Amino acid sequence: DVKVTQSSRYLVKRTGEKVFLECVQDMDHENMFWYRQDPGLGLRLIYFSYDVKMKEKGDIPEGYSVSREKKERFSLILESASTNQTSMYLCASSWDRGRNQPQHFGDGTRLSIL
Amino acid sequence: AQSVTQPDIHITVSEGASLELRCNYSYGATPYLFWYVQSPGQGLQLLLKYFSGDTLVQGIKGFEAEFKRSQSSFNLRKPSVHWSDAAEYFCAVGSYNTDKLIFGTGTRLQVFP
Repeated sequence: DVKVTQSSRYLVKRTGEKVFLECVQDMDHENMFWYRQDPGLGLRLIYFSYDVKMKEKGDIPEGYSVSREKKERFSLILESASTNQTSMYLCASSWDRGRNQPQHFGDGTRLSIL
Repeated sequence: AQSVTQPDIHITVSEGASLELRCNYSYGATPYLFWYVQSPGQGLQLLLKYFSGDTLVQGIKGFEAEFKRSQSSFNLRKPSVHWSDAAEYFCAVGSYNTDKLIFGTGTRLQVFP
C-alpha cells in the first residue's frame, strides 16, 4: 500500500513565522501535490511537482513556496504566515506524469495561525 | 476550463437505505473521473475511478458509479448504506495531458440508525 506521511497532524504558529510542512511518500512516485482544504471550497491546489527540483504553481500559490530536493519528500513553506492561511493542508502523490493515475493522500495537517 | 459540481452539500439517509451522490463535470474531451471519501480527521481515500470502457464502475466498500456522457455526470451509488459510510465525498476530474485533478466542493453524508 502507498503511504503518504505528513509530519504533523496539528500545528499552531504565529503570524509572521516561517512555517514548514513536510510530506514523505514511500512508493517512488514522480508526482507530488499540496492542497489546502477549506469548508465549502473543497480542495484547492497550491503547488505540484513532477520530479526532483521541479515545481509548478497550482491555483492558489500566493504566500507559499515548495521544495523538492529528494524524490520522496515534498515540503510546503509559508514564508510569512498569516491568519488567512489557517486551514487543513493535504499532501498527495501519484505515478508517472501524463498517466493520470489516482492520487494518494496523507492524513492532513491542520494548521492554525494565531 | 474543467470544473466539477457537486450540487448537494449535505445529505442525510437512514442506515440500510440506498444512496446516490451527484457529480457533474465540465470538460471538452473524455475525462478521467474519480470519487474519493474522507472520514473525519483523515485524508482522502480513493473509492473508484473511470478512465474508459464500461461506463458502470465498481469500487471499494460496495460503491459504484455510472459515467453518463450525455448528462456530463458521474454519480456515485450504493444500494444499502452502513453507518460507517458517514463521511465527506469528493468527485474529481482530470484530463489526459495533465496529472492535476479538479475537485468538487464535496458532499457530507450523514447516516441515521
